[in-house]
Amino acid sequence: ETGVTQTPRHLVMGMTNKKSLKCEQHLGHNAMYWYKQSAKKPLELMFVYNFKEQTENNSVPSRFSPECPNSSHLFLHLHTLQPEDSALYLCASSPSPGAGNIQYFGAGTRLSVL
Amino acid sequence: KQEVTQIPAALSVPEGENLVLNCSFTDSAIYNLQWFRQDPGKGLTSLLLIQSSQREQTSGRLNASLDKSSGRSTLYIAASQPGDSATYLCAVRHRGGSEKLVFGKGTKLTVNP
Repeated sequence: ETGVTQTPRHLVMGMTNKKSLKCEQHLGHNAMYWYKQSAKKPLELMFVYNFKEQTENNSVPSRFSPECPNSSHLFLHLHTLQPEDSALYLCASSPSPGAGNIQYFGAGTRLSVL
Repeated sequence: KQEVTQIPAALSVPEGENLVLNCSFTDSAIYNLQWFRQDPGKGLTSLLLIQSSQREQTSGRLNASLDKSSGRSTLYIAASQPGDSATYLCAVRHRGGSEKLVFGKGTKLTVNP
């Protein structure tokens, strides 16, 4: 266990549904991240949060809406997704956003959009 | 735009063999480079982190080297074991303050008993 827990592990949703992904870290870290891993594509950074504040948005469509109520929890709210949004969504945390800090990853949520 | 390439995409070896995974990046202005392992159904585990000023890092049977000027890194695995079977990802962090890690597509390693 890495100390980063993601729920649910698997999610199937229709294009008109609204769902949320949850990430919780028990490591006392201050920075949290959302990544997307599509089939046959490299892992891509989506969002970065530091002390609950969003510090990076990697040109992510607005149908993905992140929320960070505190340093231990991170959500990704999903609405009106497209089939091409089907992917593995990974959450990570690090002590701070410093470049020398290793990021610890959760197991991911496998999302299928029908 | 930084691009990271990993070769080969897949590799199958018999147990006990020494092997090398390759990673190349297009922009040498990096802060550091990391090697991760990803097991099916699980997240990423950081294996080794090499700062741009370093040439190599070692952890157990793993040795990672970095040649920043040529834009290359290798991950050497000694005496491979079936438990080493996983996808190995290389990622670089660019200089300039961004938190963005740029990942390669990975090398899927299978070590056969």
